[in-house]
Amino acid sequence: SAVISQKPSRDICQRGTSLTIQCQVDSQVTMMFWYRQQPGQSLTLIATANQGSEATYESGFVIDKFPISRPNLTFSTLTVSNMSPEDSSIYLCSVRAGQETQYFGPGTRLLVL
Amino acid sequence: QKEVEQNSGPLSVPEGAIASLNCTYSDRVSQSFFWYRQYSGKSPELIMSIYSNGDKEDGRFTAQLNKASQYVSLLIRDSQPSDSATYLCAVENSGGSNYKLTFGKGTLLTVNP
Repeated sequence: SAVISQKPSRDICQRGTSLTIQCQVDSQVTMMFWYRQQPGQSLTLIATANQGSEATYESGFVIDKFPISRPNLTFSTLTVSNMSPEDSSIYLCSVRAGQETQYFGPGTRLLVL
Repeated sequence: QKEVEQNSGPLSVPEGAIASLNCTYSDRVSQSFFWYRQYSGKSPELIMSIYSNGDKEDGRFTAQLNKASQYVSLLIRDSQPSDSATYLCAVENSGGSNYKLTFGKGTLLTVNP
């Protein structure tokens, strides 16, 4: 399985600001995803990060709020824009390599005040 | 709307007993099924995958799949206190090149010494 790191591991932010979360994988992977896990809830897919093209967003998530970049096969960023307290969550990236299933990074714990 | 349903628990079992976790899903064309374990404050960790009807065993864990009934389960034999965690059922819909995971809300398992 791939080794996945995320930065930052946690942050406390003021409302109205933006935070960019980085996801780095130790090997090239075909697919990368971004999930959100709100307090006490399960995981919800935000978008699929596509290398060299625009991300594919799930219903309820838009590019203006959650812009995503994927410049190569080992790296992606998720930005949470114009944050509100409702954005307080754990944000997780996951990767799918070849025929394997998805493995998750350690997550970024975000608290918006 | 593709759905994955799990009993939220908590499920409490004594040490050494068998813990049985259940999951149903709504999308008949689902191909791949996974169980993730999530310790409090940590990211999900893949523990089992199953793709065809029947049982799949890995150490103390057995996954069972019945596609006709749209049902997947996880049995944990000889439960240990270290098994105490939330168990997430996930279903992958691989239509086209889209390998999205839909998660259930998770079942909290407590193994009592």
